[in-house]
Amino acid sequence: DTEVTQTPKHLVMGMTNKKSLKCEQHMGHRAMYWYKQKAKKPPELMFVYSYEKLSINESVPSRFSPECPNSSLLNLHLHALQPEDSALYLCASSQLGGLNEQFFGPGTRLTVL
Amino acid sequence: KNEVEQSPQNLTAQEGEFITINCSYSVGISALHWLQQHPGGGIVSLFMLSSGKKKHGRLIATINIQEKHSSLHITASHPRDSAVYICAVKKIDSNYQLIWGAGTKLIIKP
Repeated sequence: DTEVTQTPKHLVMGMTNKKSLKCEQHMGHRAMYWYKQKAKKPPELMFVYSYEKLSINESVPSRFSPECPNSSLLNLHLHALQPEDSALYLCASSQLGGLNEQFFGPGTRLTVL
Repeated sequence: KNEVEQSPQNLTAQEGEFITINCSYSVGISALHWLQQHPGGGIVSLFMLSSGKKKHGRLIATINIQEKHSSLHITASHPRDSAVYICAVKKIDSNYQLIWGAGTKLIIKP
């Protein structure tokens, strides 16, 4: 199984809502990533988890809260978002060591009203 | 100057043509990643390579570490190859972070 799955595919939320994005992989990868991608731009790294511990937080605002409940699951909790947070949110996973090829999910298209 | 430069930015070709997309980088790397993204879609990993050449179907990727340059070739191009192709490099001192090129938008006309 070489797939990373993400739910939901699309999400529309108001600025006062609380929602969560979910990501799952069953490749035995011990590193998992959240990226944000705006239109016509490359993805921007947000968070990296390594062995279920937060390794990298790229100065992301606290209205984004990541969680890694186990080695297969990665969540991104959203609260009090702004319209400028509307973007495609991508999850990825990789092995640790070696080339660390990242495998990406299909993304969640988020619209904040 | 960006650490990863891709050329061309946009490429339109006829079905069947041989396609080459180039990537140059200015930092020390441990690996280079070629990825594909269809409009509105997720990202698909095509190749990750640290030396030499890799082939998968109609796609070929090469890298020249001394010249800090990589190419992605598509043989017998097809309209379904239309997508953005992105080069990303893993810096030698980084476990996780990729430095991304701006992407090459490829359109293959039937």
